[in-house]
Amino acid sequence: AQTVTQSQPEMSVQEAETVTLSCTYDTSESDYYLFWYKQPPSRQMILVIRQEAYKQQNATENRFSVNFQKAAKSFSLKISDSQLGDAAMYFCAYRSDIIQGAQKLVFGQGTRLTINP
Amino acid sequence: DVKVTQSSRYLVKRTGEKVFLECVQDMDHENMFWYRQDPGLGLRLIYFSYDVKMKEKGDIPEGYSVSREKKERFSLILESASTNQTSMYLCASSFRLQGGGMNTEAFFGQGTRLTVV
Repeated sequence: AQTVTQSQPEMSVQEAETVTLSCTYDTSESDYYLFWYKQPPSRQMILVIRQEAYKQQNATENRFSVNFQKAAKSFSLKISDSQLGDAAMYFCAYRSDIIQGAQKLVFGQGTRLTINP
Repeated sequence: DVKVTQSSRYLVKRTGEKVFLECVQDMDHENMFWYRQDPGLGLRLIYFSYDVKMKEKGDIPEGYSVSREKKERFSLILESASTNQTSMYLCASSFRLQGGGMNTEAFFGQGTRLTVV
């Protein structure tokens, strides 16, 4: 079974600084997707960024980028120029890309990010 | 806009009651999921469904059942609510992947905070 581990329960960063959130996963599959979701106090889960396992190039979305290391099964999120609105719970998630059978979506434990003004 | 709607934002029920949590999506998604979210444990999958009348157990199905009679609706049932089922419940939906492509992410409802007293 696939598992996702976020080893940092809490992180904090000064506004305008850069912070990296860690995520590792375990799978025997070769094709899959990885995601970072953000959950602000409103509780609405928002997709931040996604990475296809077959792509070597790291995904970027404005101030958000990932460091995807497939062999190491590592998928970290870097937030540059942190803003107060980035404060939230961040979840790393794994989704398999098998055609037959169940396509589960598995989450990590979450990292609570605080932005200090 | 994709919409996943959960019937209640807050719910208080008594021990032993049968509880129904409803989720409706309007994007014609094949997959639907129910998670519970607890501090330090992240999102844990209770049940999911990849088609009408189809269901699969997730990681923590004990004490829960589900129903999917129509494609857009996925119900979570607590047969006899207990205090250890006090939690945040999140519903999500996604397209069924057909070996890669777009639309890989899941969309979430706003969550139901259930308290069992």
